Amino acid sequence: GEDVEQSLFLSVREGDSSVINCTYTDSSSTYLYWYKQEPGAGLQLLTYIFSNMDMKQDQRLTVLLNKKDKHLSLRIADTQTGDSAIYFCAESWGYGNKLVFGAGTILRVKS
Amino acid sequence: DVKVTQSSRYLVKRTGEKVFLECVQDMDHENMFWYRQDPGLGLRLIYFSYDVKMKEKGDIPEGYSVSREKKERFSLILESASTNQTSMYLCASNQQGANIQYFGAGTRLSVL
Repeated sequence: GEDVEQSLFLSVREGDSSVINCTYTDSSSTYLYWYKQEPGAGLQLLTYIFSNMDMKQDQRLTVLLNKKDKHLSLRIADTQTGDSAIYFCAESWGYGNKLVFGAGTILRVKS
Repeated sequence: DVKVTQSSRYLVKRTGEKVFLECVQDMDHENMFWYRQDPGLGLRLIYFSYDVKMKEKGDIPEGYSVSREKKERFSLILESASTNQTSMYLCASNQQGANIQYFGAGTRLSVL
């Protein structure tokens, strides 16, 4: 079945760039997503990319998609303490655009 | 703004109790979803519904049931709560054909 994997923890210094990586298995996924979860909160959609794109940029966020290797990454430029959160990679599949999530990457930003 | 509201942020229940988790969305979305979130496992789909009175099992439906009597409301039911159902439960919705799911704030359930 569908599977999404991501590293569990990343620590960076304030002002540095963060890169969170994700691999997925379903090559028929139409969209791939990055969600952010702050402590005690639900999931907030950060950005998504259509599967026929290689890159998407949105302010400090850059998403890179390598379809051949089924690899997705999220780069956060000039990381701030407010970026500390759990970041989930997800792929869509099937009727209703069901989502399959990775385990989440905890991003810790040190000041 | 889309709003997905889960009725409780925190719940504490005893083993064997029947538990209802309620979710309401205000955007007339056709699809609604229930996930559970556990550390190191991410979110796993329990059940989803693509129309009133319609339901489909997700990846981990055992021990759960759902009810969708009205379009805006999707309830998750634990018929007899067990300690291994202690978790964070997240509800989501989207419009059929749309690619973005909107999430509620979550219900943290503890079963003692």
